[in-house]
Amino acid sequence: GQQVMQIPQYQHVQEGEDFTTYCNSSTTLSNIQWYKQRPGGHPVFLIQLVKSGEVKKQKRLTFQFGEAKKNSSLHITATQTTDVGTYFCAGENTPLVFGKGTRLSVIA
Amino acid sequence: EAGVTQSPTHLIKTRGQQATLRCSPISGHTSVYWYQQALGLGLQFLLWYDEGEERNRGNFPPRFSGRQFPNYSSELNVNALELEDSALYLCASSLEGTGVGYTFGSGTRLTVV
Repeated sequence: GQQVMQIPQYQHVQEGEDFTTYCNSSTTLSNIQWYKQRPGGHPVFLIQLVKSGEVKKQKRLTFQFGEAKKNSSLHITATQTTDVGTYFCAGENTPLVFGKGTRLSVIA
Repeated sequence: EAGVTQSPTHLIKTRGQQATLRCSPISGHTSVYWYQQALGLGLQFLLWYDEGEERNRGNFPPRFSGRQFPNYSSELNVNALELEDSALYLCASSLEGTGVGYTFGSGTRLTVV
């Protein structure tokens, strides 16, 4: 079955540094979704990427979908303490298959 | 618009007992998904219901079961509870085809002692 792998598992950064998490699928994806889960909270949908090579931005967050539609990345520029949480990618294969997530901590 | 609601928020059960968790999806959403989030294991898919039917289930034993009611709300039942069933159980709903993604509830924290 489909598997979605995320790296790194943990990332500690100083406030103001950049952060990137990578997502790789064993199969070609029709689309990929990203979610954020704050500590003690529940996953919240961030974005969906559909097209090969697609790049989307949300303020300081940049999402990319690989040309082969088997990998994706989320990049955060100049992290802030509000970025703390676990970021999950999920492959569109109803139901969604989630990666294990990357837990980001930001040191002020 | 109300989001996905789950009850109870917390549940403490003794090993061997049964637990029932409830979920109400966003109005108009017909699909309900259940996920288990145990410490360090990410989101593990449990069950998917759509239009009252079970559409898919994850790699969990049969003591994990559920149903979806005519109003699209759903319940998850876990029989013969084991200590390793302790986890956050998340329910999500979606309206397929919109690209909006899943909307998750706040979860039920199940503790088995």
